[in-house]
Amino acid sequence: QVQLQESGPGLVKPSETLSLTCSVSGGSITSYYWSWIRQPPGKGLEWIAYIYYSGSTNYNSSLKSRVTISVDTSKNQVSLKLSSVTAADTAVYYCARVLIPAAPSARYYYYMDVWGKGTTVTVSS
Amino acid sequence: QSALTQPASVSGSPGQSITISCTGTSSDVGSYNLVSWYQQHPGKAPKLMIYEVSKRPSGVSNRFSGSKSGNTASLTISGLQAEDEADYYCCSYAGSRTFVFGTGTKVTVL
Repeated sequence: QVQLQESGPGLVKPSETLSLTCSVSGGSITSYYWSWIRQPPGKGLEWIAYIYYSGSTNYNSSLKSRVTISVDTSKNQVSLKLSSVTAADTAVYYCARVLIPAAPSARYYYYMDVWGKGTTVTVSS
Repeated sequence: QSALTQPASVSGSPGQSITISCTGTSSDVGSYNLVSWYQQHPGKAPKLMIYEVSKRPSGVSNRFSGSKSGNTASLTISGLQAEDEADYYCCSYAGSRTFVFGTGTKVTVL
């Protein structure tokens, strides 16, 4: 059974870049899409971005200018970088496997079926 | 995209049925049968409960059911149990292969 584990610094200074890694175990990273979702303290979930194992990406338009998502198939890892962080970026960051059809016009799937436990990131000086 | 609108809280007694609404627009919920629901207990990761509006993943109780009418999707929990007390989030396909989540609903079992 596939498992996801997020990791990264728990504290990031304002204006710096937040870097997180999601390690996939129990299954291959290939043939799936992988997403990052975050949740500020006491607030709801926000989809950030996703990436296909081949490198194809898509981003939330509200974060696109600051976000980079990448994949390393040799390590079975997905990474997230968020630049110019502020206190508003303080959140629990989740990695999730997301089911998306290969054909852009297909109208099925589009949901996250496996989630990591999340990692807390605080932006503070 | 703006977050989908959910009631902040819904409550019910054990054994009762409750329904959580998730209201979007004709650009997301209204245009696609691609709404999913997630259950989140305090301090835990979200768990998939419903996908494609009304389908249940293997292992999810049949007490959970989903539906949609127009721009509003709904999650119904029948035979409410203490373990159902959690936060629930809807999520919809929002076009251009993107997603939008709901604001979240806290379910309290009285």
